[in-house]
Amino acid sequence: KNQVEQSPQSLIILEGKNCTLQCNYTVSPFSNLRWYKQDTGRGPVSLTIMTFSENTKSNGRYTATLDADTKQSSLHITASQLSDSASYICVVAGGYQKVTFGTGTKLQVIP
Amino acid sequence: NAGVTQTPKFRILKIGQSMTLQCTQDMNHNYMYWYRQDPGMGLKLIYYSVGAGITDKGEVPNGYNVSRSTTEDFPLRLELAAPSQTSVYFCASSYSQGLEAFFGQGTRLTVV
Repeated sequence: KNQVEQSPQSLIILEGKNCTLQCNYTVSPFSNLRWYKQDTGRGPVSLTIMTFSENTKSNGRYTATLDADTKQSSLHITASQLSDSASYICVVAGGYQKVTFGTGTKLQVIP
Repeated sequence: NAGVTQTPKFRILKIGQSMTLQCTQDMNHNYMYWYRQDPGMGLKLIYYSVGAGITDKGEVPNGYNVSRSTTEDFPLRLELAAPSQTSVYFCASSYSQGLEAFFGQGTRLTVV
């Protein structure tokens, strides 16, 4: 069964600090892995998309890594800001229209 | 640029009532999707469409219907609302499979 597991479920960090969110998946075959940011009461917004051959991809203060061998991905947030408070969702696309969503990590950045 | 627009934002239905959730996109995307998001759960695909006139079931299609008469619109129909359909519904679109999906702001539906 295709699964995407994220950890931690929730995280509180001080403004300005860095943090790393984890994503482990068992989706097969693998097409791509995406990280989305979902603000409370809003739809998810794409941060990065990574294919099998990509190890690292950055989008501003967000850096995603992918290890296709161990089926793990991480999202690193540098110098966190209050606006980073949101849920971060890992999404893995497999075969045709087979997309599996993780349950997300809820991040709260406090002053 | 409006992107993906969903209406209504909130709705309360009584058991057995029906309603249509509207979704429209102005990006000329071929692919459109309907998801539901239950508390503490990942998004689940209800239905999707790869182009006007073509729709297919996703992971959790029971109790829902869709149509795709135009590229822009992809309404989701609930015929006999049940409490199990209480959820937040998201419509999304993408230019192609595997590319970035753009999401609407969601419709929070409560069935009582």
